Amino acid sequence: EAGVAQSPRYKIIEKRQSVAFWCNPISGHATLYWYQQILGQGPKLLIQFQNNGVVDDSQLPKDRFSAERLKGVDSTLKIQPAKLEDSAVYLCASSLGQGLAKNIQYFGAGTRLSVL
Amino acid sequence: AQSVTQPDIHITVSEGASLELRCNYSYGATPYLFWYVQSPGQGLQLLLKYFSGDTLVQGIKGFEAEFKRSQSSFNLRKPSVHWSDAAEYFCAVTGAGSYQLTFGKGTKLSVIP
Repeated sequence: EAGVAQSPRYKIIEKRQSVAFWCNPISGHATLYWYQQILGQGPKLLIQFQNNGVVDDSQLPKDRFSAERLKGVDSTLKIQPAKLEDSAVYLCASSLGQGLAKNIQYFGAGTRLSVL
Repeated sequence: AQSVTQPDIHITVSEGASLELRCNYSYGATPYLFWYVQSPGQGLQLLLKYFSGDTLVQGIKGFEAEFKRSQSSFNLRKPSVHWSDAAEYFCAVTGAGSYQLTFGKGTKLSVIP
């Protein structure tokens, strides 16, 4: 079974530029998550989708971050414009659904973003 | 609000020695607890989970964890560490009313050959 796919693996940009990350979840997984992991910290949830609807985006900085999950499968996370403090690893995860027994999250390898 | 504390930022052990990584959580209801491992440049891999029942849970790679409600702890153990266990370990909590996974800051494990 294929895991969660993310691209690119690395991205270096200058501040005020824009950047986009792509995630393809495990086939059949209805729930998709984007996390931000700053160096030395645990992952922090940015946004959670159930199919193509947003379940929780309370921690997404909406003035600069946006995310979409068209057709309930792939997802894109965008930052525009980027700030220095956005340097982090962006992790995508997916799970079968929101029921307890199905709520195991499977993570992709992440995209490491450096903002100069 | 739910939270996780991993008091040890970095632990170094010799290969073959036993290991215990500490995790304390705060959650208002029955917690669901997880341990994940992250190797350099990799995503997080689930080691084990606790939902209910037996408080000693077994995971992959020879790891186990014990849930102690009275101490709000979920410590991870391994009787004999291998060099390949060097990685960062994250404890996480959620629950029936949340579904949002809250992670600790992680403990980096180094293994001396």
